[in-house]
Amino acid sequence: AQTVTQSQPEMSVQEAETVTLSCTYDTSESDYYLFWYKQPPSRQMILVIRQEAYKQQNATENRFSVNFQKAAKSFSLKISDSQLGDAAMYFCAYRSASGGNQFYFGTGTSLTVIP
Amino acid sequence: EPEVTQTPSHQVTQMGQEVILRCVPISNHLYFYWYRQILGQKVEFLVSFYNNEISEKSEIFDDQFSVERPDGSNFTLKIRSTKLEDSAMYFCASSSLGKTYNEQFFGPGTRLTVL
Repeated sequence: AQTVTQSQPEMSVQEAETVTLSCTYDTSESDYYLFWYKQPPSRQMILVIRQEAYKQQNATENRFSVNFQKAAKSFSLKISDSQLGDAAMYFCAYRSASGGNQFYFGTGTSLTVIP
Repeated sequence: EPEVTQTPSHQVTQMGQEVILRCVPISNHLYFYWYRQILGQKVEFLVSFYNNEISEKSEIFDDQFSVERPDGSNFTLKIRSTKLEDSAMYFCASSSLGKTYNEQFFGPGTRLTVL
């Protein structure tokens, strides 16, 4: 079974600075999808960014970008110019391209943004 | 923007009692999911549902659990006889397509406390 590991339970960043959240995963599959979801306090998870494993180019969405290292099975999220509204729990998730529809999640990283 | 909604936000029940957690997926979505997160642990997949039947389920989803789409809008998770270890946050999700990397849209969760 696939496993997703987020080794940083908590992170903090100064407003306007850059922070990188780590995620590693274990799989024997060659084709899959990776996601970062954000969950603000008492709110639902929303998609931040996604990456298809067959694409070499790292995904970017405004201030959010990923560093996808397929050989290392690493998928980190970089948040540039951090804003107070970025404070949330961030979950890394994996989904097979050929298997079922379920997502495999990490345990999450709680991000604090310091004004 | 359409959202997945869940009720109640918090449910407290006695061990051995039945509970029903309710979700209203996004209206044009076809696939529905339940996940749970025990405090401090990973978000775990329970079950997916398509075309009025279960399409996948995890080992967690035993005979004590059932799902139903009773009226074309609600999607429910029933736990027949709750155990202490069922205490968790339960997330409902929906998606428009299953076999692609399309995003799953999550609800805000129902916190279930079993006493």
